Amino acid sequence: EVQVVESGGGLVQPGGSLRLSCVASGFTFNDYWMTWVRQAPGKGLEWVANIKQDGNEKYYVNSVKGRFTISRDNAKNSLYLQMNSLRVEDTAVYYCARGVMTFDSWGQGTLVTVSS
Amino acid sequence: DIVMTQSPDSLALSLGERATVNCKSSQSVLSSSNNRNYLAWYQQKPGQPPKLLIYWASTRESGVPDRFSGSGSGTDFTLTISSLQAEDVAVYYCHQYYSLPYTFGQGTKLEIK
Repeated sequence: EVQVVESGGGLVQPGGSLRLSCVASGFTFNDYWMTWVRQAPGKGLEWVANIKQDGNEKYYVNSVKGRFTISRDNAKNSLYLQMNSLRVEDTAVYYCARGVMTFDSWGQGTLVTVSS
Repeated sequence: DIVMTQSPDSLALSLGERATVNCKSSQSVLSSSNNRNYLAWYQQKPGQPPKLLIYWASTRESGVPDRFSGSGSGTDFTLTISSLQAEDVAVYYCHQYYSLPYTFGQGTKLEIK
């Protein structure tokens, strides 16, 4: 069964940092692009970043460029999102999803709350 | 960025009725190189992550019931549920993957009347 499980969310103060992780199972991780999508409380979906199979191509939404870094460790079947200089508006559930353009498997998400 | 606008924002229908959700993109998502529309639909039930329903505007994902269908081209798209079931209560999102940053519509909440 294809599965992705996120972790690492929590409460952080504005300006702080957090690292999200996503562990994949049930498929050949290094065959797929991977993506982070977020959803602010009670709001819609926002594509955040994606990364190619070998990690050599990465793309970000403008609002997180220079602050967030997506990475992966194919040996550990893991995807990461390093989030620095966090802002209140980064508060959201962060989903890890399989795919580059469409996303056919999603985790349950991990909640990041940025508040003082 | 391509802006995706859905209508209506919410919809309340009776069981068995036909549900129609519209999605309009601020620019065409039809590729001239392969004649494909880079448009997908997702369903999100309360407390759950989104689920891919349809991609390339009209191709159903494996396992999705055939009461769900997608249509449209260019800038105007429609998700249709032919006969509403109780388990279809959810928020539905359109999504363009024609150009980065990929963007989603604001969502349409579907409820049972």
